[in-house]
Amino acid sequence: GAVVSQHPSRVICKSGTSVKIECRSLDFQATTMFWYRQFPKQSLMLMATSNEGSKATYEQGVEKDKFLINHASLTLSTLTVTSAHPEDSSFYICSARRSGGPDTQYFGPGTRLTVL
Amino acid sequence: GNSVTQMEGPVTLSEEAFLTINCTYTATGYPSLFWYVQYPGEGLQLLLKATKADDKGSNKGFEATYRKETTSFHLEKGSVQVSDSAVYFCALTGRSQGNLIFGKGTKLSVKP
Repeated sequence: GAVVSQHPSRVICKSGTSVKIECRSLDFQATTMFWYRQFPKQSLMLMATSNEGSKATYEQGVEKDKFLINHASLTLSTLTVTSAHPEDSSFYICSARRSGGPDTQYFGPGTRLTVL
Repeated sequence: GNSVTQMEGPVTLSEEAFLTINCTYTATGYPSLFWYVQYPGEGLQLLLKATKADDKGSNKGFEATYRKETTSFHLEKGSVQVSDSAVYFCALTGRSQGNLIFGKGTKLSVKP
């Protein structure tokens, strides 16, 4: 199967600090990875699309300087929440699209970020 | 732009009841349609999909038919089990790079 992992699964940090979340495709190569944010009882909102070796494409309203995305290899993308504030507390989910595969995304288990 | 509307939950059913979760969409072009399921404490998993009009996706007893004329992709199951309790998301492919646009999710609780 196609497995996507995220690390950490849960993180609590102080306001003003930065937090890095990793997303890995464990058994396939993913040229494209997606980062979503899910608020309680809400749908997933796409934040950005991450392409290996190039700059991420951010959705309207998402601050690229606050949510830094790096896709350095075909199996790893990272999301760094810089200078986190309580309003950044949320559930962050990544997904990966298999290279050359059908338009199916495989989702990570998510990372719960709590900013105090 | 593309969007998805699905029925609000929560939906509570008894075991072996019939399930329908409505999903309608607005889209330009011909998107692929998906149902994802999120079990408690887990990530989203693809449940089924359909890539063109009149296609029927099916998996684990669930099925949904891509209806272009009614722009719908309703999820059905003839006999639900307690283990089907989860949040179900309808989704379609967006405009660029295959990103997904999700409905708000419908929480299903099945009681024994």
